[in-house]
Amino acid sequence: EPEVTQTPSHQVTQMGQEVILRCVPISNHLYFYWYRQILGQKVEFLVSFYNNEISEKSEIFDDQFSVERPDGSNFTLKIRSTKLEDSAMYFCASRSWDGNTEAFFGQGTRLTVV
Amino acid sequence: KQEVTQIPAALSVPEGENLVLNCSFTDSAIYNLQWFRQDPGKGLTSLLLIQSSQREQTSGRLNASLDKSSGRSTLYIAASQPGDSATYLCAAYTGTASKLTFGTGTRLQVTL
Repeated sequence: EPEVTQTPSHQVTQMGQEVILRCVPISNHLYFYWYRQILGQKVEFLVSFYNNEISEKSEIFDDQFSVERPDGSNFTLKIRSTKLEDSAMYFCASRSWDGNTEAFFGQGTRLTVV
Repeated sequence: KQEVTQIPAALSVPEGENLVLNCSFTDSAIYNLQWFRQDPGKGLTSLLLIQSSQREQTSGRLNASLDKSSGRSTLYIAASQPGDSATYLCAAYTGTASKLTFGTGTRLQVTL
């Protein structure tokens, strides 16, 4: 069964460093998303991406964040200069073109900023 | 702005009980509603997706209902088992990007 794959599963980085979280969405999907979950809090929407551009972003998704689909298969989230408060589980999701279809989630990348 | 609320925040039941988890949302203009399970420190496991035109979905011991007009969904778990212990999240699809807005979850513990 097709699945969304995220790498790495865990990443530890020093404050101020840049990190790139990687996702391989399901191959025929057209909509891509990043969500994050700070420990003990709810899952929050960060950004959606369609047709090679951001279609919607939350107030969390400031200039420190960027997304890219560099090669038609990967979908990446870059955090330019990490802060302690960026420590969270980051989930990638993808879905097909029809608004009624389900979003499929990866298993997440746990980012720890020290 | 869509707000999703789940009640109760935590629930402890003995094995074998039937139980109901509640989810409410403020904006009824949703596409779908989805229930997830999350084990501690783990990812999201999709349980049931209810499309906006449907009123309920069933999978095994799970049954989810959706009433868009009242802004509510319920997840019914029959004959609960210790393996059902987890946090259950509901999430509503809204907006042009069909993004998900998640509730804070109900933490369920099923005891022997």
